[in-house]
Amino acid sequence: GAVVSQHPSRVICKSGTSVKIECRSLDFQATTMFWYRQFPKQSLMLMATSNEGSKATYEQGVEKDKFLINHASLTLSTLTVTSAHPEDSSFYICSAISGGAYNEQFFGPGTRLTVL
Amino acid sequence: AQSVTQLGSHVSVSEGALVLLRCNYSSSVPPYLFWYVQYPNQGLQLLLKYTTGATLVKGINGFEAEFKKSETSFHLTKPSAHMSDAAEYFCAVTNAGKSTFGDGTTLTVKP
Repeated sequence: GAVVSQHPSRVICKSGTSVKIECRSLDFQATTMFWYRQFPKQSLMLMATSNEGSKATYEQGVEKDKFLINHASLTLSTLTVTSAHPEDSSFYICSAISGGAYNEQFFGPGTRLTVL
Repeated sequence: AQSVTQLGSHVSVSEGALVLLRCNYSSSVPPYLFWYVQYPNQGLQLLLKYTTGATLVKGINGFEAEFKKSETSFHLTKPSAHMSDAAEYFCAVTNAGKSTFGDGTTLTVKP
């Protein structure tokens, strides 16, 4: 099956620094990637939709200047949390679809971000 | 617009007992429906999906779900629970590639 990786799996940073999270589709080309945020014991909240070569579409309430998304190729999307603060600590999950008929999403393993 | 409601945030069953996790959806177009499982600090793993065709779909690990359009439901079942089934389960509806997830159900399996 299709495999999506994320790097790093876990990151701890100081408040005010920026953190970049990578999402890669390893064995297929992803026309669209999604970034989700998940708080403990809660569901996934869609942050943005990323299409290769175009600007990301952000969900309402998500600050695009704080969460920078770049989808430079069909296999790589990055999420940069700029000037991170403790309230940005969360589990970030990406997913990718290959444009197949049923738009099945393949999820990455997630990145645990802790901002001190 | 689409939405998903998972009835019961916590379900506890004994090992060997029937597992039933409930999911109801709303969608303005014919839906694609998915069930995912999530283990602690991991991403989501697809259990099964309904797209078109047969309304009873079988997935991995002995799980299955039945799409009932008249009831707008897609409940997940497994005849006999195993300790390794303890996890968080999410139902999702997808249209045009965009997914909406339910709030999740935590399944606990007692020995």
